[in-house]
Amino acid sequence: GAVVSQHPSRVICKSGTSVKIECRSLDFQATTMFWYRQFPKQSLMLMATSNEGSKATYEQGVEKDKFLINHASLTLSTLTVTSAHPEDSSFYICSAKSGNFYTEAFFGQGTRLTVV
Amino acid sequence: GQQLNQSPQSMFIQEGEDVSMNCTSSSIFNTWLWYKQDPGEGPVLLIALYKAGELTSNGRLTAQFGITRKDSFLNISASIPSDVGIYFCAGPSLDYGGSQGNLIFGKGTKLSVKP
Repeated sequence: GAVVSQHPSRVICKSGTSVKIECRSLDFQATTMFWYRQFPKQSLMLMATSNEGSKATYEQGVEKDKFLINHASLTLSTLTVTSAHPEDSSFYICSAKSGNFYTEAFFGQGTRLTVV
Repeated sequence: GQQLNQSPQSMFIQEGEDVSMNCTSSSIFNTWLWYKQDPGEGPVLLIALYKAGELTSNGRLTAQFGITRKDSFLNISASIPSDVGIYFCAGPSLDYGGSQGNLIFGKGTKLSVKP
């Protein structure tokens, strides 16, 4: 299948700082990218959907100003956690979709964020 | 709102045994997807189901799309140690008419194999 790469895979940051996570589709153009959050032993929760060149659509309860999403090209989306706090510590996973079918969405390997 | 309920939450099995897990919802889904997630990794798609009643296999894995469109099951035959992981069912969110590919996930079934 297609490859979606997330970077970094792990990051530790101090409370109050911002962290940027990158999601790249390596061998296809992603018209849509999704960002999920996963707490330990829990399911993936969709945070936002982004289409290249337009503003991201956030799920209810997700703060737009805290989780900044930029989808500047067809192969790159970034999630910036601004003014991070310990409760933002989580596993963040992106997914990139190349076509119209659900089988054409591929997940990155995830980013473990720890805010201390 | 839409919810996917998976059972069991976790299971221990003996190597070589068959495994069965299922996913139910109070809402109708037009697509059922089964993923496996290894520790510290993103989910990997195992099987996609698009029609009610559809039965699809992928190696030792078999999944079925329930007739009522409100459930699906996943079977693993002759389990091996590398089957360990968390299995999630997923379906399209009805938000935005389900057109963008947004998925909602079940809570997962954690599979552990006894040595």
